[in-house]
Amino acid sequence: DQQVKQNSPSLSVQEGRISILNCDYTNSMFDYFLWYKKYPAEGPTFLISISSIKDKNEDGRFTVFLNKSAKHLSLHIVPSQPGDSAVYFCAALSEGGKLIFGQGTELSVKP
Amino acid sequence: DAGVIQSPRHEVTEMGQEVTLRCKPISGHDYLFWYRQTMMRGLELLIYFNNNVPIDDSGMPEDRFSAKMPNASFSTLKIQPSEPRDSAVYFCASSLGSGRASDNEQFFGPGTRLTVL
Repeated sequence: DQQVKQNSPSLSVQEGRISILNCDYTNSMFDYFLWYKKYPAEGPTFLISISSIKDKNEDGRFTVFLNKSAKHLSLHIVPSQPGDSAVYFCAALSEGGKLIFGQGTELSVKP
Repeated sequence: DAGVIQSPRHEVTEMGQEVTLRCKPISGHDYLFWYRQTMMRGLELLIYFNNNVPIDDSGMPEDRFSAKMPNASFSTLKIQPSEPRDSAVYFCASSLGSGRASDNEQFFGPGTRLTVL
């Protein structure tokens, strides 16, 4: 029973274009969401977060959008760079400080 | 701070052997988490501790898995006996954990890649 889902296992984008990574969740009680980035042979690192009182949070080239009615969030990377190639995990904050992670989307940015 | 430290980085063992994975969280962090990453299931939470006390071990797959946190700076995840299906990358993470959502950002270690033959 996946409470957080990333339905696209992979995404390929040309350098300079926009990358859009999607995430859906099922629990309407979730009110804080995070995106993590993971390079091979390293642990995931925090990228950006959003609280449910907002519908958008921006940090440089990275923007996260939250649509509470659709229980959907997305991460936009503009412009995409080859160094952005990594696995991106969406996560929702659950009770007790637990993070519920999606399965991840592997982004490949081609020069 | 050096971040979350895990050892070993790689472990190859034979089925039936005992495996012990180690983790040192970031100093001052009250929460410690153990995850397993597989292709099929992504990042699964196995167990987490608050102030050295196990809070939720519902993700531990079976009795062969056990975790301890004897003090604030050290935790172990043990698999006994190990099986080939336990092969995965195991991550440890820590967080401040407080009423503020932003304090629940988890910092991950580099992981231990376990191969059980």
